[in-house]
Amino acid sequence: EVQLVGSGGGLVQPGGSLRLSCAASGFTFSTYSMTWVRQAPGKGLDWVSYISSSSSTIYYADSVKGRFTISRDNAKSSLYLQMNSLRDEDTAVYYCARDPSLVPPPRGFDYWGRGTLVTVSS
Amino acid sequence: SYDLTQPPSVSVSPGQTASITCTGDKLGDKYACWYQQKPGQSPVLVIYQDTKRPSGIPERFSGSNSGNTATLTISGTQAMDEADYYCQAWDSRTAVFGTGTKVTVL
Repeated sequence: EVQLVGSGGGLVQPGGSLRLSCAASGFTFSTYSMTWVRQAPGKGLDWVSYISSSSSTIYYADSVKGRFTISRDNAKSSLYLQMNSLRDEDTAVYYCARDPSLVPPPRGFDYWGRGTLVTVSS
Repeated sequence: SYDLTQPPSVSVSPGQTASITCTGDKLGDKYACWYQQKPGQSPVLVIYQDTKRPSGIPERFSGSNSGNTATLTISGTQAMDEADYYCQAWDSRTAVFGTGTKVTVL
C-alpha cells in the first residue's frame, strides 16, 4: 500500500524557518517525481514545488522561489521542503504528493499524504 | 501567470448529472486532471489526461477538454460525491490548480 506521511509542521514566527519531511513507503520512491501542494485554511489548493526522481529537474511556484528548497533522499525514501523567510501567507496544510508521470503527458498527482500544518504567526 | 477558473458551487439532485467547468486560455492544448477533496481529507485524483480514470474511481466520473474549457461530469450523482473539486494543468514549469467548486447533493 502506498503511504506518504508528512511531518515537521508547527508554529513559527514570521521570518523563521521550518523543514518539512515526507516519508514514502509501498512503492519504489526513487523512480517517481514528487511534489508539494499547500492549502491555506478554508482556501483552495496551491502548488508549491516539484522534483524529478533523480533531483535533476526542480520547479517552484513564484510565491516561494528563493525562500523554499525542495530536496529528496532516495536512499531514505524521503522528500523534504526547507522553508525559510516564512510569511503569514505561508500558513497552510502542506501535502506531499506522488507524480506518476515518467514521461509526458502528465498524469496528475495520484497519491497524497495526510498533510502537515504550518502556522506562521507572532 | 496562468489561471484556471471554476464556478464556486454546483448543486445537483441525487441521481442527476453534475457538470463542473474549468476555464483557462487554450486549456484544450494542455492536459487537465481533476481532484476530489472531502472535508478534512487529502485530495483524490479522479480524472487525469482529460478523460482517464485512475483505478478504483467509479465510472460515473468522466472528463473532457476542448478549446478553453475542461469539464468534469458526474453521472448518477450520489450523496458520497458531495465534495470540493479542483481541476489542474501544467503551464510550462508550473502546476496550476483551479479555483475549486463545491458540489452539493441536495
